[in-house]
Amino acid sequence: EIVLTQSPGTLSLSPGERATLSCRASRSVSSSFLVWYQQKPGQAPRLLIYGASSRATGIPDRFSGSGSGTDFTLTISRLEPEDFAVYYCQQYGISPWAFGQGTKVEIK
Amino acid sequence: QVQLVQSGAEVRKPGASVKVSCKASGYTFTSYDINWVRQATGQGLEWMGWMNPNSGNTGYAQKFQGRVTMTRNTSLSTAYMEVTSLRSEDTAVYYCARGSYGASGRLDLWGQGTLVTVSS
Repeated sequence: EIVLTQSPGTLSLSPGERATLSCRASRSVSSSFLVWYQQKPGQAPRLLIYGASSRATGIPDRFSGSGSGTDFTLTISRLEPEDFAVYYCQQYGISPWAFGQGTKVEIK
Repeated sequence: QVQLVQSGAEVRKPGASVKVSCKASGYTFTSYDINWVRQATGQGLEWMGWMNPNSGNTGYAQKFQGRVTMTRNTSLSTAYMEVTSLRSEDTAVYYCARGSYGASGRLDLWGQGTLVTVSS
């Protein structure tokens, strides 16, 4: 079973700043099977990034993903007010699919 | 409109069962896997399992084996997830989510969630 560990737990930033979120896997994950979701309070998650670096439909280009093996990163280049949310990474290369515990991006 | 619409909130006593439905519309129901994910209040996401609506084949996380059953009714374009022997720790919002075409674990469409409360 693969465990995904996200850091930091909470990121306090101001609008316009850059956010860098980390997702580390307990063993190597094919980047093809690494995705990121955004979840706002009271809402279902939304697919942001798939294949570690491809943006899902309708996702603005300030969101980008990178990484391989055991280390993956989600970057938000300039935070907009609507970007303050919780972000989860997930792998689906090896069953059971697993989510990280989430990183909350909050307004400083 | 492409969407998944889930059934409403449920309250059950410990030891009881609950069955949540997930109705698909706007796409071919049998062409995409349906996954179920739950989230306890203030907690993260937990994957429970998947189902292929065409074949009815399923795969469950080991934690839920024997206590969770995923089924479907193709004529209604509806997936179901039943949890038996409920305990307080099962109190959570349960989501159905569509797996992308050819990438079952990439969840590109989510239902609105169904709150299941287990309390005596």
